[in-house]
Amino acid sequence: GQNIDQPTEMTATEGAIVQINCTYQTSGFNGLFWYQQHAGEAPTFLSYNVLDGLEEKGRFSSFLSRSKGYSYLLLKELQMKDSASYLCAVWGLGGGNKLTFGTGTQLKVEL
Amino acid sequence: DTGVSQNPRHKITKRGQNVTFRCDPISEHNRLYWYRQTLGQGPEFLTYFQNEAQLEKSRLLSDRFSAERPKGSFSTLEIQRTEQGDSAMYLCASSTGTNQPQHFGDGTRLSIL
Repeated sequence: GQNIDQPTEMTATEGAIVQINCTYQTSGFNGLFWYQQHAGEAPTFLSYNVLDGLEEKGRFSSFLSRSKGYSYLLLKELQMKDSASYLCAVWGLGGGNKLTFGTGTQLKVEL
Repeated sequence: DTGVSQNPRHKITKRGQNVTFRCDPISEHNRLYWYRQTLGQGPEFLTYFQNEAQLEKSRLLSDRFSAERPKGSFSTLEIQRTEQGDSAMYLCASSTGTNQPQHFGDGTRLSIL
């Protein structure tokens, strides 16, 4: 997505913590979603932020700052199965009534 | 919860042929979305339905593409006169309403020979 930026790749160690950042153009913003996608599989919903602050859900947390156009996904106690692409998606970019996805961050968890 | 179902999983066809994909959303979801995804990219919005009404179409959706949701349940996406550039994964998602989490099907992978 041309209006959403996230790193292309990240590598982390099993058991560690990793933070995946996402920045977006704020025009039309009406909510931000994080999805996980394993190779060859469908994206699965992880988290949703519409207000500023931190949303925690088990090992995964997501943070949003609307004024800065910034979000991050925090993954704790990394497991090998967390190796996947993590997609940041914004609702309402440019005034459209739809989700716009970033290109995804490919996370590789190593021993 | 049977999830979103898409058929077929894979479709291989010659350039110039027409193809049709089907999506069965989660039964209580009134919104249905179609996306296209290529390798290394995020899903790209194509169109969406609120019940049987098609409310928005991407400017990227050429007139070779058409989608229907005749009874507000399943949907079909048809591509006419396929081209090499149509090769992609076509994903369907459904949700309960505006700005709600979308649940994706496993997609239909289209390969154009």
